[in-house]
Amino acid sequence: GAGVSQSPRYKVAKRGQDVALRCDPISGHVSLFWYQQALGQGPEFLTYFQNEAQLDKSGLPSDRFFAERPEGSVSTLKIQRTQQEDSAVYLCASSLRQPGHGMNTEAFFGQGTRLTVV
Amino acid sequence: KQEVTQIPAALSVPEGENLVLNCSFTDSAIYNLQWFRQDPGKGLTSLLLIQSSQREQTSGRLNASLDKSSGRSTLYIAASQPGDSATYLCAVSTSGTYKYIFGTGTRLKVLA
Repeated sequence: GAGVSQSPRYKVAKRGQDVALRCDPISGHVSLFWYQQALGQGPEFLTYFQNEAQLDKSGLPSDRFFAERPEGSVSTLKIQRTQQEDSAVYLCASSLRQPGHGMNTEAFFGQGTRLTVV
Repeated sequence: KQEVTQIPAALSVPEGENLVLNCSFTDSAIYNLQWFRQDPGKGLTSLLLIQSSQREQTSGRLNASLDKSSGRSTLYIAASQPGDSATYLCAVSTSGTYKYIFGTGTRLKVLA
């Protein structure tokens, strides 16, 4: 596709349920980011992949959060035993090159997945 | 630790006004700065990217400037229109990291 695609767009989970959020980046993009956005706030960094390598996971709030990008394209963010505080919009972004490498570092975002934990 | 601040938090202007949105950051060692637009319930749309070596970028009615030494960027919107109503976010990518740090945004409303 032409842009970053995320699915599902909306997810309602019962507390304690596991969820998996999918991101299809722009084809050929090396860098992939996951962000969490609470209502009325700016996005906050969760994790970064360069191809299939997860180079930074410093923003993952707990060990219940896990992300993977096994073949360097599609990525999945998994949240185990969801809690109410996990309710947020989860945004995925990709860029052709990694930050700091000159041109083609513009980040393109998907529409996000709105997760509501009840 | 990089911190990004945007002022004002909200702005309401009549159609046709030129306006300026401000973004400041605490660590001047950045790779680039990017301005985004976010409509309610939507993802982020990239508006302008300024590399650390650049001082400004222009796209249509939008102009973004960067002053690394003072830790500031401004987004100038000329001849505002009701369709410009959205939240505008700036984000910086800091040297030595991979992440973009975002401000909390400026909510803009342009009145017809």
